[in-house]
Amino acid sequence: GAGVSQSPSNKVTEKGKDVELRCDPISGHTALYWYRQSLGQGLEFLIYFQGNSAPDKSGLPSDRFSAERTGGSVSTLTIQRTQQEDSAVYLCASSRDRGRFDTQYFGPGTRLTVL
Amino acid sequence: QKEVEQDPGPLSVPEGAIVSLNCTYSNSAFQYFMWYRQYSRKGPELLMYTYSSGNKEDGRFTAQVDKSSKYISLFIRDSQPSDSATYLCAMSRNYGGSQGNLIFGKGTKLSVKP
Repeated sequence: GAGVSQSPSNKVTEKGKDVELRCDPISGHTALYWYRQSLGQGLEFLIYFQGNSAPDKSGLPSDRFSAERTGGSVSTLTIQRTQQEDSAVYLCASSRDRGRFDTQYFGPGTRLTVL
Repeated sequence: QKEVEQDPGPLSVPEGAIVSLNCTYSNSAFQYFMWYRQYSRKGPELLMYTYSSGNKEDGRFTAQVDKSSKYISLFIRDSQPSDSATYLCAMSRNYGGSQGNLIFGKGTKLSVKP
């Protein structure tokens, strides 16, 4: 079946602009995660949505970052007033949230470059 | 000190070699221990997971967890050029259902030369 898809695959923006990154999870997966992968920091958790519960935003690095998930499916990560240190690959993952262990399936990522 | 430490390498081995990849961690609350493989320009994919201490084998891959030492390992036997990728260890605190957010090591870049 179809995996997690993300768009755009690449995004180049100028410092100070806002960007929106999209994630389409695997159909039927109730949990959705955003991570950021950069050379210096590795893969870091940003935010986690689980069903209708309030999202876990504990990994968001600043209030310039926000995310929403509409209808329990598609999610959008928004970065306002982008900075050069926001340059990274943004990865989305989804999981079923059933059973003892719940595999997180990752999308290919959006490579963000802030000039 | 980061919660999970992993030597970034790079690690280069000849085809057929046994590869050993390792991570250490500091948080004794971690319950699940995972190894992800990531090819260039792709998202990570789960290779294996282990709950608590012990060994787990899957084909050429063996995962080991030693909770007393806070040390986990992934062994790859008879390594192949197709194993060339970045290997990331990951851990989570939760038991049952969604694991919540994963804590990743920085990844070890492996190259297997024909």
